[in-house]
Amino acid sequence: EIVLTQSPGTLSLSPGERATLSCRASQRVSTTYFAWYQQKPGQAPRLLIYGASSRATGIPDRFSGSGSGTDFTLTISRLEPEDFAFYYCHQYGSSPWTFGQGARVEIK
Amino acid sequence: QLQLQESGPGLVKPSETLSLTCTVSGGYISSSNYYWGWVRQPPGKGLEWFGSIYYSGTTNYNPSLKSRVTISVDTSKNQFSLKLSSVTAADTAVYYCARGPLYSSGWVEPFDYWGQGTLVTVSS
Repeated sequence: EIVLTQSPGTLSLSPGERATLSCRASQRVSTTYFAWYQQKPGQAPRLLIYGASSRATGIPDRFSGSGSGTDFTLTISRLEPEDFAFYYCHQYGSSPWTFGQGARVEIK
Repeated sequence: QLQLQESGPGLVKPSETLSLTCTVSGGYISSSNYYWGWVRQPPGKGLEWFGSIYYSGTTNYNPSLKSRVTISVDTSKNQFSLKLSSVTAADTAVYYCARGPLYSSGWVEPFDYWGQGTLVTVSS
């Protein structure tokens, strides 16, 4: 099983600042099968990024994904008030599909 | 607009079988362009993938749950379902059904449409 470890666990930032979230895999993950989700309390996850760097439909361009191998990054260039939420990385190339433990972006 | 809606008991007794149904509207579950699956989230915790089912009926289960899980499709009702046997308190979670794109090459994209989730509590 591929274990995904996200860091930091919590990121405290102000609106307008840049957020950088990391995800490290215990084994190499194909960029084709790496994604990021956003989740707000009481809501289902929302797909942000797939294929490591492709934005899902309707996702603003302030969200970007990068990385390869075992290290992946989600960057939010300028935080908007609606971006304060939980974020999960996800690999769907090797069974079992796994998620990171989550990272919280909170208002400073 | 595609919509997925989970339904089923909110309370299940220990050792019994949890059964949930996901009703799909705004799209056809029999389409060869998509696959369907289940993900759960214990209260205050992260996401866990249960498994997926493809239009052909082929399933792919999480090995840690495989002995207890069955995912099936009912194309006549445009629904798919989850059964989890021998439940314990550790199975208490919000259960989500979801859809993902599937390509003829076998390439998949991750779940892009999700239901709102349903909380299932395991307790006597």
